[in-house]
Amino acid sequence: KAGVTQTPRYLIKTRGQQVTLSCSPISGHRSVSWYQQTPGQGLQFLFEYFSETQRNKGNFPGRFSGRQFSNSRSEMNVSTLELGDSALYLCASSGLAGVNGEQYFGPGTRLTVT
Amino acid sequence: AQSVTQPDIHITVSEGASLELRCNYSYGATPYLFWYVQSPGQGLQLLLKYFSGDTLVQGIKGFEAEFKRSQSSFNLRKPSVHWSDAAEYFCAVAINTDKLIFGTGTRLQVFP
Repeated sequence: KAGVTQTPRYLIKTRGQQVTLSCSPISGHRSVSWYQQTPGQGLQFLFEYFSETQRNKGNFPGRFSGRQFSNSRSEMNVSTLELGDSALYLCASSGLAGVNGEQYFGPGTRLTVT
Repeated sequence: AQSVTQPDIHITVSEGASLELRCNYSYGATPYLFWYVQSPGQGLQLLLKYFSGDTLVQGIKGFEAEFKRSQSSFNLRKPSVHWSDAAEYFCAVAINTDKLIFGTGTRLQVFP
């Protein structure tokens, strides 16, 4: 079956703009988690959505938000972009909430903020 | 403070040599433990995980890891490394099946 899909794969934005990233999980999976990967901070958990509800949230400012649709696809939004938001954003899907099920990662969206 | 430590930022081995990547955690209770691998330009792939039971865990691609409670460690091993194993390896923990907390990663370079 198809893996986790993330669109777009690459994105260049300017400071102050906003951006929306999309993640389509593996068919049948109801959990989608988002992670930010940077050289300085490493991999950090942003949030998890399960059955359209935010189940868990990491320590990020309110500029970072997300949502999940009834088909389990998820979007992540970052408003008022800062240079430090440049990162690889990874999403992972799972059939179960949290880490009870194996998390399958997508290839990521590379966001560059200039 | 709770933390996951991978003391080796970069490791270089010859093809065919054995490999051990270190991981230590600092938590009050035994967390759930994971090893992931990330190849360039790709997402993460789960190699193996430990929830409970046998402390020696077998994973994919010939990897294994051993949980040592007394040392708060979960080191990853492979008896004979292949050139295709060159990648970045991340140890991760989770408390109460909650979110994953990752270590800083170890970059593995393999020489022919």
